[in-house]
Amino acid sequence: SQQGEEDPQALSIQEGENATMNCSYKTSINNLQWYRQNSGRGLVHLILIRSNEREKHSGRLRVTLDTSKKSSSLLITASRAADTASYFCATGNNAGNMLTFGGGTRLMVKP
Amino acid sequence: GAGVSQSPSNKVTEKGKDVELRCDPISGHTALYWYRQSLGQGLEFLIYFQGNSAPDKSGLPSDRFSAERTGGSVSTLTIQRTQQEDSAVYLCASSLEPTGTLPGELFFGEGSRLTVL
Repeated sequence: SQQGEEDPQALSIQEGENATMNCSYKTSINNLQWYRQNSGRGLVHLILIRSNEREKHSGRLRVTLDTSKKSSSLLITASRAADTASYFCATGNNAGNMLTFGGGTRLMVKP
Repeated sequence: GAGVSQSPSNKVTEKGKDVELRCDPISGHTALYWYRQSLGQGLEFLIYFQGNSAPDKSGLPSDRFSAERTGGSVSTLTIQRTQQEDSAVYLCASSLEPTGTLPGELFFGEGSRLTVL
């Protein structure tokens, strides 16, 4: 079963707008990672946030983590058409091994 | 190589045949994962190799699926007696050894698209 669940499943915005995607998970985690997947390609790592961190930034990306609510959000500011892709959250469990992925959010940025 | 390499990129097979999918991880990466992704869906964990430890096979959907990793490097995922529901993209990823108990960043290959007719 999937640990993380993204919300919304699909999001369509205009270029220049901000895009927010949410991820909820069920069990305790060590870290949470966000990945991007262009259509027909493999996944690319975007950002990792540890369980003792609350917010992290990387360029136009901002990730928050609320362990009390077991949720995370990914904010892409000033979106571009090239940001069109599927975005997945993945959680690492306390055993330190596998990453479990959610179902993803399909983001479309219209030029 | 520079990244994770998977082959074949596309495989069309007939129901009942066996298939082998290959993954060449990034040199020096001790962890290797196999995931399956159906069209428009998320990633389903299949199996995880870490160094010389016994693999975590908890995600393999049936005994028709098996995987091995030779010499701590190349991995082969084998699907025996393929069924139509096996059709999916099979993604391989590798990472450096976990730091303490933290799984690291995964580097993915482009995937092997399997179609079972």
